[in-house]
Amino acid sequence: DTAVSQTPKYLVTQMGNDKSIKCEQNLGHDTMYWYKQDSKKFLKIMFSYNNKELIINETVPNRFSPKSPDKAHLNLHINSLELGDSAVYFCASSPWQTTHNSPLHFGNGTRLTVT
Amino acid sequence: GESVGLHLPTLSVQEGDNSIINCAYSNSASDYFIWYKQESGKGPQFIIDIRSNMDKRQGQRVTVLLNKTVKHLSLQIAATQPGDSAVYFCADNPDYNNDMRFGAGTRLTVKP
Repeated sequence: DTAVSQTPKYLVTQMGNDKSIKCEQNLGHDTMYWYKQDSKKFLKIMFSYNNKELIINETVPNRFSPKSPDKAHLNLHINSLELGDSAVYFCASSPWQTTHNSPLHFGNGTRLTVT
Repeated sequence: GESVGLHLPTLSVQEGDNSIINCAYSNSASDYFIWYKQESGKGPQFIIDIRSNMDKRQGQRVTVLLNKTVKHLSLQIAATQPGDSAVYFCADNPDYNNDMRFGAGTRLTVKP
């Protein structure tokens, strides 16, 4: 009964390929996020969606396109993968977006390696 | 840019000792702070949070202290155990949204 689950856990691919990472949460949360963690463990927000609507889009290349088919899912599609995209990508969710602060619930990450 | 930062990248303590992990934040408008623990191969896990109208909050073996005057946050772990070995992050919300901004992390190693 994993709360935030993302697949795959590991993804190895070549430069130039297109890949997707899926995320699902069964917590009934309204808001979902994608974070990128680099090799130095630094966590940086990429996107957030509230009830399927894009709220935050940090300075992420437009090769990254999040898609939220419903509020329980937020998938991340990456086109034309580059070496610098290698990182661990974390999906997260929270019950509220503005004014109501609450902790994020994270998935266990997808380690993307671009060769 | 980054809102929060940590004083020490690594911390090594003896099992049974108390641990203190420090964090500095830059945005005085931040009103909510969280400590997360990340074990190897897993996502960050919530430990404890504190709102800006509080100075101290205690959980089970953990205490968070907030000093708004100097924009400093600390996590104290009592009687540190080997299972506490992990990377610890502080995070805040500088923009009043719930997009938490994370510090660089401190790796805590507990020696038996």
